[in-house]
Amino acid sequence: GQQLNQSPQSMFIQEGEDVSMNCTSSSIFNTWLWYKQDPGEGPVLLIALYKAGELTSNGRLTAQFGITRKDSFLNISASIPSDVGIYFCAGQGVNRDDKIIFGKGTRLHILP
Amino acid sequence: DAGITQSPRYKITETGRQVTLMCHQTWSHSYMFWYRQDLGHGLRLIYYSAAADITDKGEVPDGYVVSRSKTENFPLTLESATRSQTSVYFCATQAGEQYFGPGTRLTVT
Repeated sequence: GQQLNQSPQSMFIQEGEDVSMNCTSSSIFNTWLWYKQDPGEGPVLLIALYKAGELTSNGRLTAQFGITRKDSFLNISASIPSDVGIYFCAGQGVNRDDKIIFGKGTRLHILP
Repeated sequence: DAGITQSPRYKITETGRQVTLMCHQTWSHSYMFWYRQDLGHGLRLIYYSAAADITDKGEVPDGYVVSRSKTENFPLTLESATRSQTSVYFCATQAGEQYFGPGTRLTVT
């Protein structure tokens, strides 16, 4: 079945640094999604990507749909304390019955 | 405009008891999902529903039952709760992207 590998599992950075995380899949996807989950809350959609090569920004966040359609990247520029949380990638395959599947998340920590 | 709500937000129950977690949406999205989130496993799909009266198993359906008599509601029932079902449960709807509820933290003692 389809699998998503998300890396890194966790990151420790200084406030103000840029952050990069990525997801790779074992098969081609038609849709890539990036979510953020704050403690005690459900995941919230940050960016949705629908086309290979697409680059989309949401404030300081930028995500890209890889050309091979098997990967996606999320970058956060100039991190701030409220960026702390778990970031999930998710993707949906090309078949009509394919469900959205999720990576295991990247936990972002910001050091004081 | 609440979107998607879950109740209760927190629940403690004993092993063997029946528990029902509620999920309600105001959007009329066709697809609804139940996930459980556990450390080290990410989000695992329990059941999903493509429309009212249509449900299907996900990755980890054992010990759970769902129903969907109305489009807006998708309750999840643990018929005889076990400690391994201690988890955080998320309901989601889908219209292109998935949108998640705030979660229910369930503890089975």
